[in-house]
This record gives sequence, structure tokens and C-alpha cells, in this order.
Amino acid sequence: DQQVKQNSPSLSVQEGRISILNCDYTNSMFDYFLWYKKYPAEGPTFLISISSIKDKNEDGRFTVFLNKSAKHLSLHIVPSQPGDSAVYFCAASSQAGTALIFGKGTTLSVSS
Amino acid sequence: NAGVTQTPKFRILKIGQSMTLQCTQDMNHNYMYWYRQDPGMGLKLIYYSVGAGITDKGEVPNGYNVSRSTTEDFPLRLELAAPSQTSVYFCASSYLTVATNEKLFFGSGTQLSVL
Repeated sequence: DQQVKQNSPSLSVQEGRISILNCDYTNSMFDYFLWYKKYPAEGPTFLISISSIKDKNEDGRFTVFLNKSAKHLSLHIVPSQPGDSAVYFCAASSQAGTALIFGKGTTLSVSS
Repeated sequence: NAGVTQTPKFRILKIGQSMTLQCTQDMNHNYMYWYRQDPGMGLKLIYYSVGAGITDKGEVPNGYNVSRSTTEDFPLRLELAAPSQTSVYFCASSYLTVATNEKLFFGSGTQLSVL
């Protein structure tokens, strides 16, 4: 059973607008969440993370929000740029975990 | 620094053949991981290692073997290739365990087709 769910396989946004990518999780033991970005023919690269003791973390154009009661997190990209077009993976870990657990990914397309 | 390096980038195997996917990292990371990504799916953990000489199974270990004789290298072995092993394989590493809020660094992947 999937512990990390990204229910939107794809998202299309115009350049300059906000992109919102969503992620839900089922395991209440998860306490650290990460977003990875992946371009075709490349490996995933770390983008931003958030600990469960916070509800928001910001890094430039990227902000991650965490709602622990809803077991939901979201990645906001403002403003979106064509270079942001990629697959975005949500991942989670726990203090008892041995590796990151990944969602299926959301393909973001930003058109100019 | 090169980071995590995987070879080969592409490979086509016939059913029943064997091969080794190479992975090396130059960051002196203790932890190394092998994931596979099938189309439209997330990354699934095959095997991981917490240090030289220590390996353990992940979520989908069947059909694979690993070894960790040095800190730098973590090869993945396919003994009898099957079409179900057609996938993109990613090697990753981290200095500390993910239980300490650590992030993983990934290689560029090996695209494997078994025909």
C-alpha cells in the first residue's frame, strides 16, 4: 500500500503563475519530508525539505507547507519558470526508517 | 567532486543474461541505496547498505544481489535477467541515516531493457 501519494500525475501552468504540487501520506511516523526534482535522463536532485516540527519552509521561489493533521504537504513555486518543467517527487522518512519512501511523482509543465 | 557515478547509462539484456550495475561515490558517504523506477511509478528501494560489509534488503530485492566491499562502491548484480527487471535504476548515497533528517544524493541512472 502506498505510504506517499501524489494523486496528480501532471500539472500545466503558465510562466509567471503559481504552481502547487500536492502530496499526501498515510504513515503517522513520518517526520521529515523532501521534494526532489528530476529532469529526463538525469537522477533526482534535492529541492527542499521540511521537518514535522515546522509547518512551512521557504527557499527562494520554492515553499513547502506541511499540514500534519491532514497528513498533507504541498510545494508552491512562485513565479513558475519554463526551466521548472520536470517531474517532482515527494519523499518521506521516519526515525525508524532506513531509506526515503517516494511518491509516484507529478510532471510539471510550465509554458511561456 | 563527481558525486554519485553510475555505469553504464544504457544496457539491453537478453532474458537469462546477467550483469552488474556499477555505482561509486566520492563523498565518503556511509549509506548507499539502490532504487528502481518503473514508468509512472515512484522509486522503490531494492537494497541498501549502512557501511562497508553491511547490506540489507529493501522493498523489492528479488532477482538482485549486492555487495559493499568498500565505502565508495555499491554494485548491483542481476543474475538471471527477466523482462520484469526492465526499469531505470538509481544509485544514491547519504552521509548519515535518513532517520536523522538526511537527504540522498542520486546518480544519473542506468536504463535497462530486458528483451
